[in-house]
Amino acid sequence: NAGVTQTPKFRVLKTGQSMTLLCAQDMNHEYMYWYRQDPGMGLRLIHYSVGEGTTAKGEVPDGYNVSRLKKQNFLLGLESAAPSQTSVYFCASTHPRGNQPQHFGDGTRLSIL
Amino acid sequence: DQQVKQNSPSLSVQEGRISILNCDYTNSMFDYFLWYKKYPAEGPTFLISISSIKDKNEDGRFTVFLNKSAKHLSLHIVPSQPGDSAVYFCAASWGSARQLTFGSGTQLTVLP
Repeated sequence: NAGVTQTPKFRVLKTGQSMTLLCAQDMNHEYMYWYRQDPGMGLRLIHYSVGEGTTAKGEVPDGYNVSRLKKQNFLLGLESAAPSQTSVYFCASTHPRGNQPQHFGDGTRLSIL
Repeated sequence: DQQVKQNSPSLSVQEGRISILNCDYTNSMFDYFLWYKKYPAEGPTFLISISSIKDKNEDGRFTVFLNKSAKHLSLHIVPSQPGDSAVYFCAASWGSARQLTFGSGTQLTVLP
């Protein structure tokens, strides 16, 4: 049981390049989330999804787009990467019923030069 | 405006003693609180949680206390072990999508 898997684990981009981060979960969770973590700060919510085909903005959505075409996958896109988007990105998922904790992947470390 | 605050960036305790990590929040809409533990190069892992209708939850060596009137929660680890050394994040849940708002974390070091 892999849980939440993020691809890739590391990536270096040049300013202006685009890329997509992939999150896959095998727990049949309805809800999925993308966070970023910067030094000295907690995780901040970028976008989230409460089901296949639905997405919504979180606290820091600017510069990112997301898609949830399949229940098990949640994609985070950077259309034109900027140095301010250098961060560690975490994906999480959870079940909507009751108070369930979110389960996190191991992160993608992204550097924008 | 930080709605969840962990004012101590770091804490060192001796093995076998109690570790107390603190967290303050400002938003009364938070209804569920969680503690996550994070090792370097790994994702946060869930540790323990508490509903806003309770004031204490215990799981083995870990106990979380909630003081709603003070908007304060704390995590007690007794006894502390070297393997507990990690960054601990306090998080608060809200909204129909169960979004989480995180504190900035406390680095706990348990000295052998």
